[in-house]
Amino acid sequence: RKEVEQDPGPFNVPEGATVAFNCTYSNSASQSFFWYRQDCRKEPKLLMSVYSSGNEDGRFTAQLNRASQYISLLIRDSKLSDSATYLCVVRGYSTLTFGKGTMLLVSP
Amino acid sequence: NAGVTQTPKFQVLKTGQSMTLQCAQDMNHEYMSWYRQDPGMGLRLIHYSVGAGITDQGEVPNGYNVSRSTTEDFPLRLLSAAPSQTSVYFCASSYSSGEKLFFGSGTQLSVL
Repeated sequence: RKEVEQDPGPFNVPEGATVAFNCTYSNSASQSFFWYRQDCRKEPKLLMSVYSSGNEDGRFTAQLNRASQYISLLIRDSKLSDSATYLCVVRGYSTLTFGKGTMLLVSP
Repeated sequence: NAGVTQTPKFQVLKTGQSMTLQCAQDMNHEYMSWYRQDPGMGLRLIHYSVGAGITDQGEVPNGYNVSRSTTEDFPLRLLSAAPSQTSVYFCASSYSSGEKLFFGSGTQLSVL
């Protein structure tokens, strides 16, 4: 299994839809998990950290399943401005490993 | 608050030329790193530093050198540019390794 795997998409959804992305990781000892957002030709920006108990930030919910070694990101009530690539990030021994990203396209 | 400042934004080199990508941060972050991003490959770690005077190799270090003489600066040197080094380069920093990263705006490098 690759270190961090994501479905590249694209996920095409209409405005207002709910969409979920999953990400699997191979290192069972990983302790820190993040979701980053990257707009076309821009730098990645932190969307949210992922905590063991799960966490929510407005329309975004992140969850961690250690037993199955995956994290998820749920976006409710999708907006046009949510169109971007979402990167799953996992902490290794001392560095962060990025997934290749999942592209989301929200249409009117 | 400037955050992470990366220069230049664009660069075109000929094969065999050398150049330095500059990266500076004003957040007093101990950890700094360089990534390259290629289509279909995601972000790959080139080199990183956990503090002034300390550097280490990442996943794809060949053809690149780094140094960390101050906490603020972490330049990336291409010794002899090759077409395979055509990519988008991002510098990033964080308070410590494994913490959330703050990225510079990127450098689009083309090697002809």
